[in-house]
Formats: sequence, C-alpha cells, structure tokens
Amino acid sequence: AQTVTQSQPEMSVQEAETVTLSCTYDTSESNYYLFWYKQPPSRQMILVIRQEAYKQQNATENRFSVNFQKAAKSFSLKISDSQLGDTAMYFCAFMNHTSGTYKYIFGTGTRLKVLA
Amino acid sequence: NAGVMQNPRHLVRRRGQEARLRCSPMKGHSHVYWYRQLPEEGLKFMVYLQKENIIDESGMPKERFSAEFPKEGPSILRIQQVVRGDSAAYFCASSLNIRGMNTEAFFGQGTRLTVV
Repeated sequence: AQTVTQSQPEMSVQEAETVTLSCTYDTSESNYYLFWYKQPPSRQMILVIRQEAYKQQNATENRFSVNFQKAAKSFSLKISDSQLGDTAMYFCAFMNHTSGTYKYIFGTGTRLKVLA
Repeated sequence: NAGVMQNPRHLVRRRGQEARLRCSPMKGHSHVYWYRQLPEEGLKFMVYLQKENIIDESGMPKERFSAEFPKEGPSILRIQQVVRGDSAAYFCASSLNIRGMNTEAFFGQGTRLTVV
C-alpha cells in the first residue's frame, strides 16, 4: 500500500526567509504524480505544485520549488522569500494513475507559520 | 469560471439524522472524488465516481455511507443515522479525463459536518 509521511507537524519561518518542508512516500509503482497542496484557514485545498515521476527535472512555480529524489522516495517543498500569506497547512500527496482510480494519498500535513 | 462547488459549507445534524452533502464539479468535469478530513489530519479517500458509476469505493465505510453522481445534477454523499464520529470536513474534488487519463483534481471548499 502506498503511504505518505510528513515528519514535521509544525514549522515556522521569518518573513522573506526560505523554508523546506519534508515529504517521503512509499510505493512500488514507477509512474505516479506527487503534489503539494496548501490549506489556509478557509479550508480551501490549493494546488501549489505538481511533479510527474517520469520527469527528472524538479518542478518550479514562482517562489515554490521541489526537490524530487525518486530513488530515495523523497519530495520536499522549498518556499523562497516567504510571505505572511504562506501561513497555512501544507499537505504532500501521491497519486498513482496506473491503477485506474486516481485516488490521492495525503500526508498528515505540516503547519507552517510565517513570522513578521 | 466557477470551481468545484460544495454545499452546504456547514451542516449540523443530531445523532441519528441523515446528512446530505452536495458537490457540483467544475464545468466539463465528469469525475468526482470524495475525501474526509478529521481534525488535525490529512484528507482520506472515500469514493471515486464517474457519471452514473461508482469506480472505487474502497474508502467508504460499509454501512450508513453512500454516494452517487447522477447523469444530471450534483454528486451526493449521503450519511444515514449520523454519529459523533462522523463529524469531519468532507471534500469533493473533480477532474477531466483526457484520452483515458485523468487530469489533476480540483478541490471544493469542503462541508464541515458537526454531529451533536
């Protein structure tokens, strides 16, 4: 069974600094997708970044980038130039499309607080 | 361009009553997923539906829970005879299917169910 582990329940970072959130996963599949979602107090799940496992290049979206280590099954999120609006829960998620169900497996989340 | 719409946002039910949660997918999306989020936890997959079909219900409790996605109208998650343990946020997500592959899922804002 696939699992996703986020070992940092809470983190804080000073505004304008850089922070890295950790995520590891376990799967025997070779084709899959990985995601980071942001959940602010409004509860809306907002897609931050996605990575296809077959792509070696790390995904980047503005201030957000990932360090995808397929062999190590690691998928960390780096937030550069942190802003107060980045304060939220962050969830790492895995999706294996080859099974035909496309269900997402989520980690337990990391609560990030950006300090002024 | 409306996203995934869930209603109600908040629902309070007494023990033993029925809860009906509605989800209208994004325009053009024919695949719907339901997830449950308990306090301080990540989202857990419940069920995956296409129009008029349940594809994967491996995450649904065997009793009291049912889901449908009719040809017309929203998807409905129905919980009969609710108990306190059903209190949670329930999220719906939808995706497109392009050439046999599902695109990434877009999430609604969730329905927070409170059982008193």
